Amino acid sequence: EAGVTQSPTHLIKTRGQQVTLRCSPISGHTSVYWYQQALGLGLQFLLWYDEGEERNRGNFPPRFSGRQFPNYSSELNVNALELEDSALYLCASSYGRGNTEAFFGQGTRLTVV
Amino acid sequence: AQSVTQPDIHITVSEGASLELRCNYSYGATPYLFWYVQSPGQGLQLLLKYFSGDTLVQGIKGFEAEFKRSQSSFNLRKPSVHWSDAAEYFCAVGLMDSSYKLIFGSGTRLLVRP
Repeated sequence: EAGVTQSPTHLIKTRGQQVTLRCSPISGHTSVYWYQQALGLGLQFLLWYDEGEERNRGNFPPRFSGRQFPNYSSELNVNALELEDSALYLCASSYGRGNTEAFFGQGTRLTVV
Repeated sequence: AQSVTQPDIHITVSEGASLELRCNYSYGATPYLFWYVQSPGQGLQLLLKYFSGDTLVQGIKGFEAEFKRSQSSFNLRKPSVHWSDAAEYFCAVGLMDSSYKLIFGSGTRLLVRP
């Protein structure tokens, strides 16, 4: 069974640009979570999608947004990139709402220059 | 507020020695507790979890953890460390409020001496 897959694995963007990261959850999982792992800041909760709806978001500005598609895959969009957005972005999925046992993908390493 | 504390930033052990990584949490309700491992540049792999029942839980790769409610702790242990265990280890609390998110500790980096 395939795990959580994320694409791309690495990318480099210029300050002010926009970026889209993609995540495919484990088959049968309906919840997708996004986390940011920035150097020195640890793992920070970004967004939670379940059944196509945004259910919760962390303490991040509105330029961080996303969506979940009918097949439960998800996109994370970041507009007006800033240097401090450089981080590893991790996607996780879980089976249904109320199940906090999350399985993580390998992450997308974003570098903003 | 919910929080997870991993007091050791780095730990170095010799290969074959035993290991204990500490984790303390602050959460008003019965916690769901997890340990994840992250190799350099990689995602997180779930080692083990505690939801309820037996307070000593077994995980993958020979790891175990013990939930102690009185101490608000969930320490990770392994009787004999292998060089391949060198990685960063994260303890997390799973919230059962409307967010269902994970709150992570800051991580402990394990170095293994040959």
